[in-house]
Amino acid sequence: GNSVTQMEGPVTLSEEAFLTINCTYTATGYPSLFWYVQYPGEGLQLLLKATKADDKGSNKGFEATYRKETTSFHLEKGSVQVSDSAVYFCALSDQEGGSEKLVFGKGTKLTVNP
Amino acid sequence: GAGVSQSPRYKVTKRGQDVALRCDPISGHVSLYWYRQALGQGPEFLTYFNYEAQQDKSGLPNDRFSAERPEGSISTLTIQRTEQRDSAMYRCASSHPPMNTEAFFGQGTRLTVV
Repeated sequence: GNSVTQMEGPVTLSEEAFLTINCTYTATGYPSLFWYVQYPGEGLQLLLKATKADDKGSNKGFEATYRKETTSFHLEKGSVQVSDSAVYFCALSDQEGGSEKLVFGKGTKLTVNP
Repeated sequence: GAGVSQSPRYKVTKRGQDVALRCDPISGHVSLYWYRQALGQGPEFLTYFNYEAQQDKSGLPNDRFSAERPEGSISTLTIQRTEQRDSAMYRCASSHPPMNTEAFFGQGTRLTVV
């Protein structure tokens, strides 16, 4: 079945550091890819998405490019802030067998220190 | 409402009791999803509905779990004869199809079975 593997955390960075969180996927067909973020005490929120190969999703300074050749969707940000501290989840849309659901990775906890 | 609303936010129940978790999706959203999230893991799909029809229940772990959405709006996830292993965060999401649009998540219900 379809699956998502993302970088194990936790990740601790200083403010203004460069961030990469790796995500690779296994899927049949052509899924859409997502990054969701969970801030402390809140629900999951969509951060960005890409619906086809070579698409780049971006939001709030974060970017990720849908790479079909490497089956990857790595999340990057050039300069993190303390307010970026959260848990980040990579996910794909699974439409096998006519169903529609999201398949998530295990999440990566990011802590940004001032 | 403005967002997906889940109730209760926290539920502590004794082993063997039945529990009902409620989800009120964003008004007008056709699709409603239930996920379960164990500590330190990503959300795992349980079931989803389009309108009142349950489209996929392949993620329900056993027959103690059931879900309904009788009028195509509010949904209830019921767990009968709860066990300690049922303890988790239960998350509801809604979207307007197709799946590669944004799924909006509620804040979840934290279930603890003692």
